[in-house]
Amino acid sequence: AQRVTQPEKLLSVFKGAPVELKCNYSYSGSPELFWYVQYSRQRLQLLLRHISRESIKGFTADLNKGETSFHLKKPFAQEEDSAMYYCALKPLDAGKSTFGDGTTLTVKP
Amino acid sequence: GAGVSQTPSNKVTEKGKYVELRCDPISGHTALYWYRQSLGQGPEFLIYFQGTGAADDSGLPNDRFFAVRPEGSVSTLKIQRTERGDSAVYLCASSSPGGELFFGEGSRLTVL
Repeated sequence: AQRVTQPEKLLSVFKGAPVELKCNYSYSGSPELFWYVQYSRQRLQLLLRHISRESIKGFTADLNKGETSFHLKKPFAQEEDSAMYYCALKPLDAGKSTFGDGTTLTVKP
Repeated sequence: GAGVSQTPSNKVTEKGKYVELRCDPISGHTALYWYRQSLGQGPEFLIYFQGTGAADDSGLPNDRFFAVRPEGSVSTLKIQRTERGDSAVYLCASSSPGGELFFGEGSRLTVL
């Protein structure tokens, strides 16, 4: 079974502060991990995926197989980062993506 | 169009009625997914298609829910004898073999 846990429902930081959104997963096979973001009045969209190892909008995430985590980090949060963030897991070979319940990030001026 | 299109964007119905929700995926995407999202929760998997066939329908909550994708493109999610607990936003997504999901804006279903 696939399971994704995002322990924080709400996270609030000041502009310029570092931010970390936590994601833990359980899956017995080889997973691919994603972060999706939903800005106000927009559709859910991909932010980044662990396979590409890119930094998008200043965000990075490292897959830690030992701790089964895929935390999302940004060193200096911006007001436009305020959004709903979802962590998702998909089996590497094929199959459905399973989502966490999301974290609402608010970046205060 | 360039993105995933879902209709209707809003649907209000009465308990016991039948509802159809439509999804038009990105052209060329072979995989199509249906999710349901209730307030304060993440998208909950319902079913996914690879081409015309349902590759995994393990998320359909009961036999009142059914989905089809007869020509491997447009998909319809059908809900019979709707109940108040079916009220949610129904999301459709399509993907290329790369695995990234492209979502529609969702269909908000309200059952009175």
